[in-house]
Amino acid sequence: EIVLTQSPGTLSLSPGERATLSCRASQSVSSTYLAWYQQKPGQAPRLLIYGASSRVTGIPDRFSGSGSGTDFTLTISRLEPEDFAVYYCQQYGRSPPMYTFGQGTKLEIK
Amino acid sequence: EVQLVQSGAEVKKPGESLKISCKGSGYSFTSYWIGWVRQMPGKGLEWMGIINPGDSHGRYSPSFQGQVTISADKSISTAYVQWSSLKASDTAMYYCVRGWYVGSGFDYWGQGTLVTVSS
Repeated sequence: EIVLTQSPGTLSLSPGERATLSCRASQSVSSTYLAWYQQKPGQAPRLLIYGASSRVTGIPDRFSGSGSGTDFTLTISRLEPEDFAVYYCQQYGRSPPMYTFGQGTKLEIK
Repeated sequence: EVQLVQSGAEVKKPGESLKISCKGSGYSFTSYWIGWVRQMPGKGLEWMGIINPGDSHGRYSPSFQGQVTISADKSISTAYVQWSSLKASDTAMYYCVRGWYVGSGFDYWGQGTLVTVSS
């Protein structure tokens, strides 16, 4: 079973700064099956990135995903006030066939 | 407009059974997989399982296999997750999600159903 470890656990930044969130897998993951979500308090999560780097329609271009193999990154180029939330990475593995989420990174206002 | 609308909050006692629902609209219900995700209070996301509403073929997380049953009724575009005997540790928010293929991200989420299990 693949384990996803996100770092840091909490990231404190100011609006306008650049955020870099990491997701590391315990074994190689297909980029096709790597996704990122944003969750704000009291809301359901929202898909931001799929296939490691493809942005969902309507997601601002300040959000970008990259990486391959075991190391993936979500970058927010210039933080807006509405970007402060918890972010999760997710992967799907075939052996066993299952989805796994990372434990989340909380992005908070400094 | 694509929507996944879940049934309302539930308060149950340990040992009771429960079935919660998720109704899809605004798209072809049998063309996408429906999954379920648990979020315990103050915690992260856990994938429970996924079903193809077209043929009711499902897959479960090992952590939830045997603990819940996921089903779907394509005639009414509704998916379900059920418990036969709830435990206090089942207290959580449960989300249904849509995936366009097994392994894809979940592009639409229901609003969540809060299940509280307490004596």
